Amino acid sequence: EAQVTQNPRYLITVTGKKLTVTCSQNMNHEYMSWYRQDPGLGLRQIYYSMNVEVTDKGDVPEGYKVSRKEKRNFPLILESPSPNQTSLYFCASSDSYEQYFGPGTRLTVT
Amino acid sequence: AQSVSQHNHHVILSEAASLELGCNYSYGGTVNLFWYVQYPGQHLQLLLKYFSGDPLVKGIKGFEAEFIKSKFSFNLRKPSVQWSDTAEYFCAVNAGFQKLVFGTGTRLLVSP
Repeated sequence: EAQVTQNPRYLITVTGKKLTVTCSQNMNHEYMSWYRQDPGLGLRQIYYSMNVEVTDKGDVPEGYKVSRKEKRNFPLILESPSPNQTSLYFCASSDSYEQYFGPGTRLTVT
Repeated sequence: AQSVSQHNHHVILSEAASLELGCNYSYGGTVNLFWYVQYPGQHLQLLLKYFSGDPLVKGIKGFEAEFIKSKFSFNLRKPSVQWSDTAEYFCAVNAGFQKLVFGTGTRLLVSP
């Protein structure tokens, strides 16, 4: 089954404790991206990647890092999480103009 | 910069009522347009998309949308909603390579 998976689905952590949210797709897509969803703001793009080792900032990249060492994986890294990064995060992949979204990761930073 | 406006933030309807959700975008060039739905606790699912051709697009679950270029609009419609349509709906525009710009979403509540 074609899908985008994310782990963990839920995470509660404390300020400053580094964390990684994994994202993996099995559709051989070149393009992957990360979004955060906040009430009243819709989804905003954090980072995107057009291929292995090619990443670029989206609209709200501050406080996040990404890497793309393999085509199927696109982890999101929060080096020093802060409470304003409490949000619902979605990973997506695409091979054209249609994006396929993962199930989401709800992150709470206290 | 491209932007997407969804004017209705919350909509409450009774079952069998007709639905129209507004979406306007700001971008003068060629656009690809999408409507996504997010059911409670679930991830985004594609309802329908417009790339080119017939401006009236039919999607899943009886939804349709009409692209009106002169009005920069892509409104979502359904003739008769069901309780199961309760969800949040997002309009999105692709105005560059693979990047989606989303509206802020419309929460639809359908009462039985």
